Amino acid sequence: DQQVKQNSPSLSVQEGRISILNCDYTNSMFDYFLWYKKYPAEGPTFLISISSIKDKNEDGRFTVFLNKSAKHLSLHIVPSQPGDSAVYFCAASARETSGSRLTFGEGTQLTVNP
Amino acid sequence: NAGVTQTPKFQVLKTGQSMTLQCAQDMNHNSMYWYRQDPGMGLRLIYYSASEGTTDKGEVPNGYNVSRLNKREFSLRLESAAPSQTSVYFCASSEGRDRQPQHFGDGTRLSIL
Repeated sequence: DQQVKQNSPSLSVQEGRISILNCDYTNSMFDYFLWYKKYPAEGPTFLISISSIKDKNEDGRFTVFLNKSAKHLSLHIVPSQPGDSAVYFCAASARETSGSRLTFGEGTQLTVNP
Repeated sequence: NAGVTQTPKFQVLKTGQSMTLQCAQDMNHNSMYWYRQDPGMGLRLIYYSASEGTTDKGEVPNGYNVSRLNKREFSLRLESAAPSQTSVYFCASSEGRDRQPQHFGDGTRLSIL
């Protein structure tokens, strides 16, 4: 069963507008969430994270929102830039797991058009 | 700053051949991980090593073995490759505490004919 799900395989937005990427999870033990960005032929790179004790975390143009009751998180990118075009992965971890194990979603391909 | 280095970058194998994928990190991280990425399925954990001297199965361990050679190196071995193991393999490392993020290598693209 897919414990972390990104229902939109792709998203296309215009440069300067907001990009909103969504992620849902089913495991109530998850208490820490991360977003990774991946360019072709490269490994994923860490973007931003949020603990379950918060409902929002902001870093420059990137903001992650967490709705625990809905088991839903989203990544907002404002303003979107062509260089943001990449695959974005949502990931989650549970405190009980050793070594900071992560469970990843399927990924969303973001395309920002000039 | 090399970070996480994976070798080789590309490899083609025949069914039944064996191969070891190498991974090394220079960040003095305690934990290391092997993932595979398949289209539409995200990254799935194969094995991980929470600390030097320990290894544990992840979500999809069948057909693989690992060795944590020392703190820096974590290898993944396919004893008898199968076409279903055609994938992109990523190695990652992290401090393994306080929810520090994982750092990834650039992957090994493996095709099994």
